[in-house]
Amino acid sequence: AQSVTQLDSQVPVFEEAPVELRCNYSSSVSVYLFWYVQYPNQGLQLLLKYLSGSTLVKGINGFEAEFNKSQTSFHLRKPSVHISDTAEYFCAVKRTSGSRLTFGEGTQLTVNP
Amino acid sequence: DTEVTQTPKHLVMGMTNKKSLKCEQHMGHRAMYWYKQKAKKPPELMFVYSYEKLSINESVPSRFSPECPNSSLLNLHLHALQPEDSALYLCASSQEKRGGSYEQYFGPGTRLTVT
Repeated sequence: AQSVTQLDSQVPVFEEAPVELRCNYSSSVSVYLFWYVQYPNQGLQLLLKYLSGSTLVKGINGFEAEFNKSQTSFHLRKPSVHISDTAEYFCAVKRTSGSRLTFGEGTQLTVNP
Repeated sequence: DTEVTQTPKHLVMGMTNKKSLKCEQHMGHRAMYWYKQKAKKPPELMFVYSYEKLSINESVPSRFSPECPNSSLLNLHLHALQPEDSALYLCASSQEKRGGSYEQYFGPGTRLTVT
């Protein structure tokens, strides 16, 4: 079975500051990794994904993440955040075979002026 | 186009009502999903359809009845719900591949309130 741990439940930052949202996973088999963002009263939007290849993955809205197999991590980063980045962020993992997504508990990012 | 649409956006129903949630995608995805999400929590998987056949049922109570009429549509029929069923219901779809699937694309959700 897979598990995902998002190390911070809340991350407050100031506008234009850099941010890192941390995600560790556990799995005995090969996995795909994802970050989703959820704005208030909306569905989940795919920010970026790691399926294979380069371990540095770039996504939408200026976000990027790095897959580190030895540390079983997939941390999300943005060099300069905006007020509009305030949202809940979910890290998720899926076996390369199968359909089931396993989500972390989420990190609330709040960007203050 | 990576859009999944869901209707209605909001639904208020009594415990004796029957209602349906609808989900549609035109990305050619052959896997479709229903999730339930409570406030401040990640989505919980309810059902998975693969090639229009139910492949996963996460021991969901029978008052929730899924249906996949064709490869683009997914319904969730609701009957005799309880107040604790109030939640955001999310639909998702993904491209199938041999032995599994890729990333899931989510719809905007239906906010359900059971009174």
